[in-house]
Amino acid sequence: GAVVSQHPSRVICKSGTSVKIECRSLDFQATTMFWYRQFPKQSLMLMATSNEGSKATYEQGVEKDKFLINHASLTLSTLTVTSAHPEDSSFYICSARGGGGFAYEQYFGPGTRLTVT
Amino acid sequence: GEDVEQSLFLSVREGDSSVINCTYTDSSSTYLYWYKQEPGAGLQLLTYIFSNMDMKQDQRLTVLLNKKDKHLSLRIADTQTGDSAIYFCAENSGGYNKLIFGAGTRLAVHP
Repeated sequence: GAVVSQHPSRVICKSGTSVKIECRSLDFQATTMFWYRQFPKQSLMLMATSNEGSKATYEQGVEKDKFLINHASLTLSTLTVTSAHPEDSSFYICSARGGGGFAYEQYFGPGTRLTVT
Repeated sequence: GEDVEQSLFLSVREGDSSVINCTYTDSSSTYLYWYKQEPGAGLQLLTYIFSNMDMKQDQRLTVLLNKKDKHLSLRIADTQTGDSAIYFCAENSGGYNKLIFGAGTRLAVHP
């Protein structure tokens, strides 16, 4: 139980284009989803928190117009990197938390590696 | 602000015990976590400890918490090659929404 998937697992795009990454909770309803970014050999940095049906809360320093987050249903959140640049290349990981059960536990997706050329 | 620190690298022999250490700054953290990340993959929750506990054991894993010193450790007994990975310590800060991660400790297990 508590499986989170991400799609795609890898994506290469050209500078200036937009890329959408999906995060799905497969066997539970995720009232809250989180998006993290991880640079090589570094830790995870929280980018934003989204609750189903409401606007995402972005961490300080994260451009909300560049990283668009949509949490339209209890099982799906999307992150769109708009007008991507090489410095946006990174490993993006989502996590999800359900409304019941252990509220302090986040279940992580396998990550999406974005390369902007 | 919140900060979590870990040593970056640990090398152990197969069959020995591994001890990964972590310090944190937010004394209001309710839960502290250990996650495992294998190459190119997401994070797997290994175990967690509530802040009013000082020890938790789960099969080969033992978590020790010294709340006074804000020190957390993860002991892996009988370390196997499959345990080679990066281990992240994390605290929940500002309520259970936000996890603050350490930089991760790379565990290398050699024969």
